[in-house]
Order: sequence, then C-alpha cells, then structure tokens
Amino acid sequence: GQNIDQPTEMTATEGAIVQINCTYQTSGFNGLFWYQQHAGEAPTFLSYNVLDGLEEKGRFSSFLSRSKGYSYLLLKELQMKDSASYLCAVKGGGATNKLIFGTGTLLAVQP
Amino acid sequence: DVKVTQSSRYLVKRTGEKVFLECVQDMDHENMFWYRQDPGLGLRLIYFSYDVKMKEKGDIPEGYSVSREKKERFSLILESASTNQTSMYLCASRTPLDTIYFGEGSWLTVV
Repeated sequence: GQNIDQPTEMTATEGAIVQINCTYQTSGFNGLFWYQQHAGEAPTFLSYNVLDGLEEKGRFSSFLSRSKGYSYLLLKELQMKDSASYLCAVKGGGATNKLIFGTGTLLAVQP
Repeated sequence: DVKVTQSSRYLVKRTGEKVFLECVQDMDHENMFWYRQDPGLGLRLIYFSYDVKMKEKGDIPEGYSVSREKKERFSLILESASTNQTSMYLCASRTPLDTIYFGEGSWLTVV
C-alpha cells in the first residue's frame, strides 16, 4: 500500500526553529514536495526534493533520505504568519506520476 | 507566475442537482488534476487529465466525472450531488518540471 505519515499538530515559539517530519511508503518514488496551506486557502508550493540531501530556500529547508523513506521541513526564525498546515506529498512511480498527499501537520506559532 | 483559476469559490447546491466546477490554467500545461480535501483525510485525487480529451480516474472517482475539451480548461462534474460531496475542491496544474500549482479552491455545500 501507499502511506505518508506526518504529525497531526505541532506548536512552536516565534523566533525558534521547528522541524516537521514526514515518512513515506509508496510504490515508486519520483520526488517529494512540501506545501504550505493557510486556513481556508489553497496549498502553495514550498519545496521539491528528488535527490538525497538538504535543499535550502530562505528560512525554509527540506531534507530527503530516499533509503529511509524520510523527509523533514525545517523552518527557521519562525514568524506568526508561519502558522499553517504543512503538507508532505510524494510523487509515485509509473506513467501517471500521481502525487500522494499526507494529511498535513498543523503548526501553531505562539508569541 | 502560474495561474490556476477556479470559477466558483463558494457554492450551495441541493441534493440531486448537477454541479459544474470549472478550472482554467494559463500556462499551456498538459497535466491537470481535481482533488477534494476533507478534515482528517487530507487531499484525495478524484480525476486527472494528461491531455485534451484524456482522463484517468484517481483514488475516489465515484460520483464524479470530468471534461477536458480544451487544454486550458478542466471541469469537474457532479452528476447528482449528494451531501457526502460537501467538501473543498481543489484544481491543480502541473508544470513540465513536475511542480503542482493549485487553484484557490471551491467550497461546495450540498444540502
């Protein structure tokens, strides 16, 4: 079967660093995406990892280990506006390359 | 910037009505998708299309159909709306580099 696991909720303090983990088991792997979704809005693209290692983009970084079926999203210098759901999604194998989403991690940033 | 536009943000329909959700993208993308998002269940793929007049079932196609007559437009059709189809519907378009961009979402309530 196909499964993507993320923690349901996390809480962190403004200015701190938080790491959101994602583990996956999918039939085939062609990349892993992270999306941010504010309440009532559509998901917006944050990052894409296809090779092992760390991808850094400003305050956000994403890490991938394909052998472990594991990724994390690292948010630095947290701001109140970072309060949102963070969705991990894996692009599976096969001709269609469907994107399979986790249920998301709701991050609450507190003052 | 990629722009994916969903024509209706908020709809209220009666059980048994036929419902059309329209989606347009302006980047000449071949791949387009319809998802629904429900609390605790995450994003689930209903249908996708990889070219004009081509469509494939996603994970939860029952009760839905789609139409792709032009490359830029992908429509989701609920032939006979039911209350369990109350949800947020998200259209998405995929770039040649495999990044998926979402529309703003359509909140459908079936009463």
